[in-house]
Amino acid sequence: GAGVSQSPSNKVTEKGKDVELRCDPISGHTALYWYRQSLGQGLEFLIYFQGNSAPDKSGLPSDRFSAERTGGSVSTLTIQRTQQEDSAVYLCASSPQGIVPDTQYFGPGTRLTVL
Amino acid sequence: SQKIEQNSEALNIQEGKTATLTCNYTNYSPAYLQWYRQDPGRGPVFLLLIRENEKEKRKERLKVTFDTTLKQSLFHITASQPADSATYLCALDSSNDYKLSFGAGTTVTVRA
Repeated sequence: GAGVSQSPSNKVTEKGKDVELRCDPISGHTALYWYRQSLGQGLEFLIYFQGNSAPDKSGLPSDRFSAERTGGSVSTLTIQRTQQEDSAVYLCASSPQGIVPDTQYFGPGTRLTVL
Repeated sequence: SQKIEQNSEALNIQEGKTATLTCNYTNYSPAYLQWYRQDPGRGPVFLLLIRENEKEKRKERLKVTFDTTLKQSLFHITASQPADSATYLCALDSSNDYKLSFGAGTTVTVRA
């Protein structure tokens, strides 16, 4: 079946603009995760959804970052007033149940460049 | 503070040899540890999971060990092939939590 998809694949924006990144998880997966990957760094956890609820937002770097999930499916990560340090690859993953342990299935990522 | 460290240097090996990657962690008590493969421009792909009460796990040419005393996992690729060239990430949970913490990865290049 279809894997996790993300759009856009690349986004170039100017400092101060808002951006929206979209994630379509695998159908039926209840858990959804957002990560950020900077060059040469490990994946940095941002937020976790179980269904439409986000029990853990602890990884969001600042209040400029927000995310929502609707219908237990699509999720959108929004970054307001983008800064150059926001440049990174944003990865979305989904997993069947969000219980321990659970394999995470990743999308290809959105490469964000803030000029 | 919590830390996950993988081989800092990239690994270059000859086809047919065994690649051994290390993952050391500090101030975690993981119930399980996972290894993922990441190719350029793609998201990580799950390879293997090993639980804290398992010493070793195998899948085809891959072998993972987990030593909770040493706080270390070793990942072996035997009879390596150029197609094995990729970055390999270890990931572990935070005390039996859904949240995974990832290492920075080790890049493996297999020469034909």
